[in-house]
Amino acid sequence: GDSVTQMEGPVTLSEEAFLTINCTYTATGYPSLFWYVQYPGEGLQLLLKATKADDKGSNKGFEATYRKETTSFHLEKGSVQVSDSAVYFCAEGQGAQKLVFGQGTRLTINP
Amino acid sequence: DAGVIQSPRHEVTEMGQEVTLRCKPISGHNSLFWYRQTMMRGLELLIYFNNNVPIDDSGMPEDRFSAKMPNASFSTLKIQPSEPRDSAVYFCASRATSGRAEEQYFGPGTRLTVT
Repeated sequence: GDSVTQMEGPVTLSEEAFLTINCTYTATGYPSLFWYVQYPGEGLQLLLKATKADDKGSNKGFEATYRKETTSFHLEKGSVQVSDSAVYFCAEGQGAQKLVFGQGTRLTINP
Repeated sequence: DAGVIQSPRHEVTEMGQEVTLRCKPISGHNSLFWYRQTMMRGLELLIYFNNNVPIDDSGMPEDRFSAKMPNASFSTLKIQPSEPRDSAVYFCASRATSGRAEEQYFGPGTRLTVT
């Protein structure tokens, strides 16, 4: 079946550092791609999404571009903050039903 | 809106006991999903319902697990008998029928510990 592979964590950065979390998917066709964020003690929240090739999703300073040629959807942020510390999940979905999630990447930002 | 409500938030039980996790989806949402999250396996979809009907239960680990959705505002996930390897955080999520795949709203989760 389809799968999503994320950069293994944990990732630890200093405040204001540049962030990249890699994500690749295996689904054929044109799935929709998403990044969810999970803050401590909470459920997942949709962070950003892209529904077609070359689309860029963005939210809260985070960005990710749908790259069909490399089947990737890497998450980036130019300057991270302590409040960005969380677990980040990449996911893909085809049709209107279930999502396939990556294993999650734990991010810790030190002041 | 109160969001997706799950109870209990924490459950500690002994091996062999029955465990029932509960979920109240967002009012008006017609799809409901149960997920399990562990360090080893990440986030796994166990089962999902559309209009109270189970659509895909291929993620349910084994017969010890069962899920029901007797009405549009309530669902349960039951484990009987429970085992230590069932220890995980269980999330419920809901989605409006007209929503696209990504528009799932997650509850805060139930942390289950089986000793």
